[in-house]
Amino acid sequence: KQEVTQIPAALSVPEGENLVLNCSFTDSAIYNLQWFRQDPGKGLTSLLLIQSSQREQTSGRLNASLDKSSGRSTLYIAASQPGDSATYLCAALDAGGTSYGKLTFGQGTILTVHP
Amino acid sequence: NAGVTQTPKFQVLKTGQSMTLQCAQDMNHEYMSWYRQDPGMGLRLIHYSVGAGITDQGEVPNGYNVSRSTTEDFPLRLLLAAPSQTSVYFCASSFHPRGAGELFFGEGSRLTVL
Repeated sequence: KQEVTQIPAALSVPEGENLVLNCSFTDSAIYNLQWFRQDPGKGLTSLLLIQSSQREQTSGRLNASLDKSSGRSTLYIAASQPGDSATYLCAALDAGGTSYGKLTFGQGTILTVHP
Repeated sequence: NAGVTQTPKFQVLKTGQSMTLQCAQDMNHEYMSWYRQDPGMGLRLIHYSVGAGITDQGEVPNGYNVSRSTTEDFPLRLLLAAPSQTSVYFCASSFHPRGAGELFFGEGSRLTVL
C-alpha cells in the first residue's frame, strides 16, 4: 500500500526566503506526482504535475523535482511572499493494476510566510 | 466557467439519516472521485469513476454509495449516516480517464453527523 509523507508538518519563514517542502512515497511504481495548494476552507488547487518519466517541472516561482528511485519529491518556492501562506499537499498516482486511478495524498505542510 | 461544483456546502444530519452529496463538472472529464479530509488523516479516496457507468472503491468506501449515470454528475450517497462520517468531502475530476492529468477540486461539503 502506498504511503506518502510530508516533512515538515509546518513551516514559518520571513518574506523573501527561498524554501523547500519535502514529500516521500514508499512505492516507487507511480504514474505521476502532483503538488497542490489548499487555502483555509477551500478546495485544492493543482500547482505542478510531474510525470514519472520527468525529473522536474517549473511554474513561475515554483519548481518541483521527482526522484522515483529514492521515492522523493521536493517543492521549491523562490522569494516567498505572504500570499504563499497555505497548506501544500503532494499526491502520488499509482502506476496500475489494482491501484488504477488511486491517488494517495500526504498530510500536507502548513506554510506561513510573515512580512 | 464553473469547473467542479459541490452541493450542499454545509449539512447537519442525525445518526441514521440518509443524504446525497452532489458533484457536477462541466469540463467533460472522464475521471471523477470523492475524498474525505479529516484532521491528522489527510485526504482519503472514497470512490472513483473512470467514465459513465463505471465506478470503483477507494481506500475508505464503507458506508458510501456512488453511481455515474452521466459524464457530468457523480453523487455520493450516505445511506445510514454515522458520527464517524463527520468530515469535509471533496469531489475532484480529471480529463484523463485514470486521473493521471491535472486534478480539479470542488470547494468541499462540510458534513456533521450528530
